[in-house]
Amino acid sequence: GAGVSQSPSNKVTEKGKDVELRCDPISGHTALYWYRQSLGQGLEFLIYFQGNSAPDKSGLPSDRFSAERTGGSVSTLTIQRTQQEDSAVYLCASSLMELASEQFFGPGTRLTVL
Amino acid sequence: SQQGEEDPQALSIQEGENATMNCSYKTSINNLQWYRQNSGRGLVHLILIRSNEREKHSGRLRVTLDTSKKSSSLLITASRAADTASYFCATARTGGSGGSNYKLTFGKGTLLTVNP
Repeated sequence: GAGVSQSPSNKVTEKGKDVELRCDPISGHTALYWYRQSLGQGLEFLIYFQGNSAPDKSGLPSDRFSAERTGGSVSTLTIQRTQQEDSAVYLCASSLMELASEQFFGPGTRLTVL
Repeated sequence: SQQGEEDPQALSIQEGENATMNCSYKTSINNLQWYRQNSGRGLVHLILIRSNEREKHSGRLRVTLDTSKKSSSLLITASRAADTASYFCATARTGGSGGSNYKLTFGKGTLLTVNP
């Protein structure tokens, strides 16, 4: 079956604009994660969704960042009033189980804020 | 602070040699996972080792875990040019009340270059 997909693959935007990044997890995976990876760095956890439970938003760096997951499937990460420091690769992952099992990653969206 | 920290930051070897990467972490874990990343894009899961396991093999990969030292190592034997990538360890903490045991905490990775 299909893996995790993300769109767009690349996004260039101007400072101050809003952007939406989309993630399509693997069908049947109940857990969905968003991470951010800056150049040469590890992955920074942003947000976690599990079924109908309230998401864990503890990793979101500011209130300009929000995410939702509709119908327990597709997720959208929204960044409002983008800043240059938001430039990074945004990675989405999904997994079958809640308890830190293997995560399947999408190819990421490379965001560049000019 | 980073839960998992890989060592070395960069490693360059010749094809056919073995590559060893290490990971240290700070808190108690449920499991530790190794991932590989090519060209700064999506990560690929390589292997998961649970806290009650000491060693695990998968093809040319061998992972060890020493919970007393809070460290793990990833050995790639008979390396190939195609193994060139960044390798990350990720730890899953043991759960607590409302615990975050679903979170993986990633290190900054080891950049492995295998020269043909």
